[in-house]
Amino acid sequence: DTGVSQDPRHKITKRGQNVTFRCDPISEHNRLYWYRQTLGQGPEFLTYFQNEAQLEKSRLLSDRFSAERPKGSFSTLEIQRTEQGDSAMYLCASSLGTLNTEAFFGQGTRLTVV
Amino acid sequence: AQSVTQPDIHITVSEGASLELRCNYSYGATPYLFWYVQSPGQGLQLLLKYFSGDTLVQGIKGFEAEFKRSQSSFNLRKPSVHWSDAAEYFCAVTFNKFYFGSGTKLNVKP
Repeated sequence: DTGVSQDPRHKITKRGQNVTFRCDPISEHNRLYWYRQTLGQGPEFLTYFQNEAQLEKSRLLSDRFSAERPKGSFSTLEIQRTEQGDSAMYLCASSLGTLNTEAFFGQGTRLTVV
Repeated sequence: AQSVTQPDIHITVSEGASLELRCNYSYGATPYLFWYVQSPGQGLQLLLKYFSGDTLVQGIKGFEAEFKRSQSSFNLRKPSVHWSDAAEYFCAVTFNKFYFGSGTKLNVKP
């Protein structure tokens, strides 16, 4: 297994455009997380899935953000009508889903909104 | 509510010197604690974890951490720092999701 993979690694978009990111977790992991990280900050929770069910979504997340995990495998994160404040690193992680297991992170997608 | 505090934003140490990065957590039950490291532009790599048992845990790259329940701390240590350890370090606690501290950026002087 090659670990958690994210695509694309970098994305530059114009303000107002929609963007979609993909995350492929480690195959046997049933839990998948999305985090956002800005410069000098720790990862900030966005949402997580247990299999295909989205169990929690951050209250900080506006309605412009949506995430799916249609078959409990890969996940997509879509941002509609991007704003400059959306510029950040978007990190995906997966885990076995029990409390005493660690999360494995992908290398992230760097989004720049111009 | 769960939270993690890393009081040191930046730390600079000389190569070969010892290192201690501080982490304090707020959590109502027995915590599951982690230290991750992040190189620039990269994702997070797990250094070590604490779930239960021995309060001194060993990790990769010569790092260790000690869980002290009385102080709500989980400090990361390394006896002798190498230049390749320069990176950002994040402490985290988990309950369904992972809560991260704001990170400590480590610089290593030659």
